[in-house]
Amino acid sequence: KNQVEQSPQSLIILEGKNCTLQCNYTVSPFSNLRWYKQDTGRGPVSLTIMTFSENTKSNGRYTATLDADTKQSSLHITASQLSDSASYICVVSARTGRRALTFGSGTRLQVQP
Amino acid sequence: KAGVTQTPRYLIKTRGQQVTLSCSPISGHRSVSWYQQTPGQGLQFLFEYFSETQRNKGNFPGRFSGRQFSNSRSEMNVSTLELGDSALYLCASSSHLNTEAFFGQGTRLTVV
Repeated sequence: KNQVEQSPQSLIILEGKNCTLQCNYTVSPFSNLRWYKQDTGRGPVSLTIMTFSENTKSNGRYTATLDADTKQSSLHITASQLSDSASYICVVSARTGRRALTFGSGTRLQVQP
Repeated sequence: KAGVTQTPRYLIKTRGQQVTLSCSPISGHRSVSWYQQTPGQGLQFLFEYFSETQRNKGNFPGRFSGRQFSNSRSEMNVSTLELGDSALYLCASSSHLNTEAFFGQGTRLTVV
């Protein structure tokens, strides 16, 4: 069964600090992995999308890593800002004839001043 | 380039009624997918349309249906509403199947 597990479930950090969110998946065959940021009550916004051959991808203060061998991904946020407070969702796409997306339950990040 | 537009943003319906939600994808995008998001279940896939054809379907009852028009706009219909259908319904568009999806702001449906 395809699954995506995210950890931690929630996280509180102080403004300016760094943090790392984890995503483990069992989706097969793997196509790509995406990280989304979702503010409360709004639609998710794509941060990065990574394919099998990509190990690292950055988007400003966000850096995603992918280890396709261990089926793990991480999202590192540098110098956090109050506006980083949101849910971060890991989504893995299977390379099948009929596309299947498996969503993680998200990590709720709260950045405090 | 305009983003994904969902209407209405908020909706209140009574149990037993039906509702239709609308999604206009990014210009040029031909794939539209729908998701239900609740606090307890997270994001759950409803269905996906590409070129007016349903290409993939999640595990939702037949009360949930959708369609896509020739201009790629999509509608989602829920009949015989239940209290448990209260959720944020999100639409996402992509240029093709299995390419990056861009989400709309969602329609917040409340069933009373």
